[in-house]
Amino acid sequence: QKEVEQDPGPLSVPEGAIVSLNCTYSNSAFQYFMWYRQYSRKGPELLMYTYSSGNKEDGRFTAQVDKSSKYISLFIRDSQPSDSATYLCAMAEGGATNKLIFGTGTLLAVQP
Amino acid sequence: EADIYQTPRYLVIGTGKKITLECSQTMGHDKMYWYQQDPGMELHLIHYSYGVNSTEKGDLSSESTVSRIRTEHFPLTLESARPSHTSQYLCASSEYGAGGSGELFFGEGSRLTVL
Repeated sequence: QKEVEQDPGPLSVPEGAIVSLNCTYSNSAFQYFMWYRQYSRKGPELLMYTYSSGNKEDGRFTAQVDKSSKYISLFIRDSQPSDSATYLCAMAEGGATNKLIFGTGTLLAVQP
Repeated sequence: EADIYQTPRYLVIGTGKKITLECSQTMGHDKMYWYQQDPGMELHLIHYSYGVNSTEKGDLSSESTVSRIRTEHFPLTLESARPSHTSQYLCASSEYGAGGSGELFFGEGSRLTVL
C-alpha cells in the first residue's frame, strides 16, 4: 500500500466552479502537509503549507487537514482557467527527516 | 520565482552513453534533492544532500550518482544510460528541508530519453 493515495483524475470543471482535491495517507507520523501545483513542462511550486490539523486559507485556496481520518483536502473557489495544472499533495514527518512523500498528482482542467 | 536551474531541459541519447544532468541554485540552500517523475506516478526521491560533501541515496533505487562539492551545484550522473532511465528528473533545494517549513524550490526538470 502506498503511503499517500491521490486520485489522478483528470478532473474537468467549468470556470467559476468550486474544486475539491483530496489525498489520504497511512503514516500517522506525518505532521507537515503541503500542496504543490505543477504546470505543464514546469517544476512543482508550493501552493499551501499546513502543520498538523486544521484549516488554512489563502485567497481562493483553502487547505484542510484531518489527522484523525488521515485525510487532506484542497479547495479552490471561483476556479479560473489559469488554475489548470497538476496538483500534488505532499507530506513529511518532520524532525530529522528531509523526505517529502508525494501523491501521484491530480490533473485539473478548468474550462472557460 | 525560484532561482534554481537545470540543464539540459531535454536530452535524447543512445544506450550506453554517459550523461550528467546539471542543477544549480543561487539561494544558498544547504539541502538539495533529485526526484524522478514518471507520468501518473508520484515523485520519487533518488538522491539528497544536506550540504557540501554530504550525499545520501533516496527511497527509489537508482543507478545514478551525485556529487556536492559546492553549495550551489548538485549534478547527477549516469555512467551508462539505458532505456529504463528514460524519465523526468527534477532537482530541488530547500533552506530548512521537508522536516522544517517544508518548502522545496524545484527546477523546471530535465527530460531524458534513452533510445
